[in-house]
Amino acid sequence: AQTVTQSQPEMSVQEAETVTLSCTYDTSESDYYLFWYKQPPSRQMILVIRQEAYKQQNATENRFSVNFQKAAKSFSLKISDSQLGDAAMYFCACEFGNEKLTFGTGTRLTIIP
Amino acid sequence: GAVVSQHPSWVICKSGTSVKIECRSLDFQATTMFWYRQFPKQSLMLMATSNEGSKATYEQGVEKDKFLINHASLTLSTLTVTSAHPEDSSFYICSAMVWDRASYEQYFGPGTRLTVT
Repeated sequence: AQTVTQSQPEMSVQEAETVTLSCTYDTSESDYYLFWYKQPPSRQMILVIRQEAYKQQNATENRFSVNFQKAAKSFSLKISDSQLGDAAMYFCACEFGNEKLTFGTGTRLTIIP
Repeated sequence: GAVVSQHPSWVICKSGTSVKIECRSLDFQATTMFWYRQFPKQSLMLMATSNEGSKATYEQGVEKDKFLINHASLTLSTLTVTSAHPEDSSFYICSAMVWDRASYEQYFGPGTRLTVT
């Protein structure tokens, strides 16, 4: 079975500090896509960052970066210089070659002023 | 960037009635759209895959006669909740897929909150 696991239901970080959200997955596929989505209170899903499994280099988007460990099937999200606007639910998701996204259960991130 | 809209953003209906939710890709064509359901404080649950010009593919456990999906054009998919009951109250989200050999992405609509009284 192809699964995505987020083991941290809630996380909090001081404003301007760095936080890492964890995500692991299980698949027998060798080619797939990995995503982190942010869902603020408006509930609009916003793409934060994406990683193609065939790329060894970790993706980076401004303050957001990932640590992609293919052998360990791990895909963590690092948020640097946390801002109040980063407070949201964060979902890890994977496309395992069947055109569908499999989502993790989410991590609620709180930013402490 | 690619924009997906949903209409309505929220709807209240009486038990036993049907309600239709529209999902549109505004500036691109989408041969494949997805419908999700999200309960409070939970993740997104895929309900069905909507393909333009063909029948939708439903996930296990989703009643296809209750959740009717029509993908009439390359920019419009509709979800009709038939004979709605209070347990159908939820947040429904659609997405449109863009995929080629080099890239894959789903663009999400803003969601529709359905309340059945």
